[in-house]
Amino acid sequence: KAGVTQTPRYLIKTRGQQVTLSCSPISGHRSVSWYQQTPGQGLQFLFEYFSETQRNKGNFPGRFSGRQFSNSRSEMNVSTLELGDSALYLCASSYWTGGSYEQYFGPGTRLTVT
Amino acid sequence: KQEVTQIPAALSVPEGENLVLNCSFTDSAIYNLQWFRQDPGKGLTSLLLIQSSQREQTSGRLNASLDKSSGRSTLYIAASQPGDSATYLCAVRRDQGGSEKLVFGKGTKLTVNP
Repeated sequence: KAGVTQTPRYLIKTRGQQVTLSCSPISGHRSVSWYQQTPGQGLQFLFEYFSETQRNKGNFPGRFSGRQFSNSRSEMNVSTLELGDSALYLCASSYWTGGSYEQYFGPGTRLTVT
Repeated sequence: KQEVTQIPAALSVPEGENLVLNCSFTDSAIYNLQWFRQDPGKGLTSLLLIQSSQREQTSGRLNASLDKSSGRSTLYIAASQPGDSATYLCAVRRDQGGSEKLVFGKGTKLTVNP
């Protein structure tokens, strides 16, 4: 089975621009979560989608948004980029393991804002 | 608010040594705890998942324990190898259902010297 894939792997943007990141979960996984990883804050939860519905949201400004499609693929969008948005963005998909969901992470998208 | 702490932040050991990584969490009402490994610039690889009702899980040279009442987990690595060099992260999941949100510690960076 193919793992979680994320595109693009690397991205350089300028302040004020917007960006869209894509995540394809493992086949059969219906839940997709997004995390931001920075050296200072570590890994922080952005949001989670399940069956095209946002099920949970972290403490990030409204510039961060996402969506999920009927095939479970997910995108996240960041508008009006700021320097502080430079980070590794990780996507995870999960499935039920007879009592719990176990998360599987993609390789991440490294976003640099200049 | 759940907070996860990992001590030490960095650890350097000679090859062959047995070692213990520590993780503590402030809210004992967790559903499960997951240990991950992250290589530089890469995504997360799940190592072990412990349900709140379990005391430990083992996989090869890795053993993870959980003491929910005291808010602690340990990851034991036996006979460490240079290939074990990576950052190890623990994460807890609170909700029993309806959310995949994980709260992460900031990790322990492990270096195993040949």
